[in-house]
Amino acid sequence: GAGVSQSPRYKVTKRGQDVALRCDPISGHVSLYWYRQALGQGPEFLTYFNYEAQQDKSGLPNDRFSAERPEGSISTLTIQRTEQRDSAMYRCASTPGGGGDLSYNEQFFGPGTRLTVL
Amino acid sequence: AQSVTQPDIHITVSEGASLELRCNYSYGATPYLFWYVQSPGQGLQLLLKYFSGDTLVQGIKGFEAEFKRSQSSFNLRKPSVHWSDAAEYFCAVGGTYKYIFGTGTRLKVLA
Repeated sequence: GAGVSQSPRYKVTKRGQDVALRCDPISGHVSLYWYRQALGQGPEFLTYFNYEAQQDKSGLPNDRFSAERPEGSISTLTIQRTEQRDSAMYRCASTPGGGGDLSYNEQFFGPGTRLTVL
Repeated sequence: AQSVTQPDIHITVSEGASLELRCNYSYGATPYLFWYVQSPGQGLQLLLKYFSGDTLVQGIKGFEAEFKRSQSSFNLRKPSVHWSDAAEYFCAVGGTYKYIFGTGTRLKVLA
């Protein structure tokens, strides 16, 4: 079956513009995660959802970042008034279960969206 | 504080040589440990994971890792490296739901 998909794969935008990054998880997966990976770093947790409910948004760096998953499937990460420091790879992952014990919830990662803010 | 350290940013080995990538973690509870590989243009692919039980874990592509609680380490090994193993490798520790990743080790394989 299809894995996690993300679109666009590459996004170049000008400072001050808003961007929306999309994640389409594996069909039937309950939990969805967003991570940000700066150049030369490992992915850092941003937020996650169980179904449509946002469970933890503690990793979102500031209020310009928001995420939603209105129907418990596709998710959108929105960055308003982008800044150059927002340039990074944004990764999405999904798991079959609903969080809790990680031993039952391996995270499957998508290819990422490379965001460049000029 | 929870953290993962991968002390080697870059490693170069010759094809056919053995490989060991280091990973140390700091985590308050029983850790769930993972190794992922990232090839150019690809997502993160899980190589192996440790939850409990046998501390020597076998993964895909001939990789293995050993959990050593006393050393807070989870080093990745492969007895004979192939050119296709050139990639970036990430160690991660997981708790209830989110993963904490190391900064990665970029592996270069010489023909």
